[in-house]
Amino acid sequence: DTAVSQTPKYLVTQMGNDKSIKCEQNLGHDTMYWYKQDSKKFLKIMFSYNNKELIINETVPNRFSPKSPDKAHLNLHINSLELGDSAVYFCASSRGAGELFFGEGSRLTVL
Amino acid sequence: QQQVKQSPQSLIVQKGGISIINCAYENTAFDYFPWYQQFPGKGPALLIAIRPDVSEKKEGRFTISFNKSAKQFSLHIMDSQPGDSATYFCAPLGGRRALPFGSGTRLQVQP
Repeated sequence: DTAVSQTPKYLVTQMGNDKSIKCEQNLGHDTMYWYKQDSKKFLKIMFSYNNKELIINETVPNRFSPKSPDKAHLNLHINSLELGDSAVYFCASSRGAGELFFGEGSRLTVL
Repeated sequence: QQQVKQSPQSLIVQKGGISIINCAYENTAFDYFPWYQQFPGKGPALLIAIRPDVSEKKEGRFTISFNKSAKQFSLHIMDSQPGDSATYFCAPLGGRRALPFGSGTRLQVQP
């Protein structure tokens, strides 16, 4: 039974399109995150939600909008996709500021 | 401001050798010092972590050494195995600020 699941695993789309990535965790955690991993493996935090409240919003373009309908879900919507958005996006969850549990990632390719 | 500096960027070790990865941090508010392991196509997963009240923690072949005064902690992998080949990240925690990951170390253990 997957703890942190993301869909889709792969996403190939054209520049200018809008796409969403969904994340669900069944660990009962109160905090969820989105990370972006580029081709050089750098992991950069984008957003963090605690009990549905946005607590971390790094310098991410406004085209990226997270939505947390409940504590177990954190979705990421991206408008007007650009070539530089190509990366692997990881969802993660934790209990407070503790160990992070990551999903398997969603590889986004923008053509 | 780079909060976490990880080195080396890549490491090649012979089977049975010792792998050492270092992490230097600036934020004295950090109070939890984990190392994550990431295999290709997977999300990072917690490998081992330490609290600042001890200077060393060992779990099997993996050891964290912590030097609070130098603001550094390191991961030692004894008797390195090809199955240890992965990317390793340090990701110190503390407070509610963005959770910085080190830049990653690609470890390759040669048979």
